[in-house]
Amino acid sequence: GESVGLHLPTLSVQEGDNSIINCAYSNSASDYFIWYKQESGKGPQFIIDIRSNMDKRQGQRVTVLLNKTVKHLSLQIAATQPGDSAVYFCAENPTGGYNKLIFGAGTRLAVHP
Amino acid sequence: DTEVTQTPKHLVMGMTNKKSLKCEQHMGHRAMYWYKQKAKKPPELMFVYSYEKLSINESVPSRFSPECPNSSLLNLHLHALQPEDSALYLCASSQVSSSGNTIYFGEGSWLTVV
Repeated sequence: GESVGLHLPTLSVQEGDNSIINCAYSNSASDYFIWYKQESGKGPQFIIDIRSNMDKRQGQRVTVLLNKTVKHLSLQIAATQPGDSAVYFCAENPTGGYNKLIFGAGTRLAVHP
Repeated sequence: DTEVTQTPKHLVMGMTNKKSLKCEQHMGHRAMYWYKQKAKKPPELMFVYSYEKLSINESVPSRFSPECPNSSLLNLHLHALQPEDSALYLCASSQVSSSGNTIYFGEGSWLTVV
């Protein structure tokens, strides 16, 4: 289930289940969105991106959904594996923001065997 | 594996020291960035360079001084830092365009100010 810790919301899932990580973005003019995965002690790693003219984009085991009406982004991970355990950040690029990514607060995904 | 390389991985410095963080990329990207990340927080933008010129400074204190010697290198010079400046400093790079481009991050340099 989901819980809110002192600093970072945590999503706990069983190995093999599907995970859904949600993100609310702030700027209705943002036209580009990225999901990053950050493992402990490492830099953010690109997972998948989506532009504002799309509602859905699929990658390998991951799907990003964009709902511009409510300014909501989600990342779906199919058949979650222990290696997926990390902190996941959504990031938005405001229009004309010249690659000025604004990151969301992040969600920790904990995968249990 | 990231193609953005940062050195050193760890740095401990005193408040009177002068040190530098270095970043290198060979992806042909013409935009390079410095981000600062505190524990359990998202990365925060500090500086953006585009075609080796500083294009964004997010009101960063002058004790942080960026430098872009060429299209592949980005430095962050540090002087008279405070303990609260201790953080993970991330370098990143991307293509340059008027719309969004994927920004690729290095593994970061862990800075501790004592």
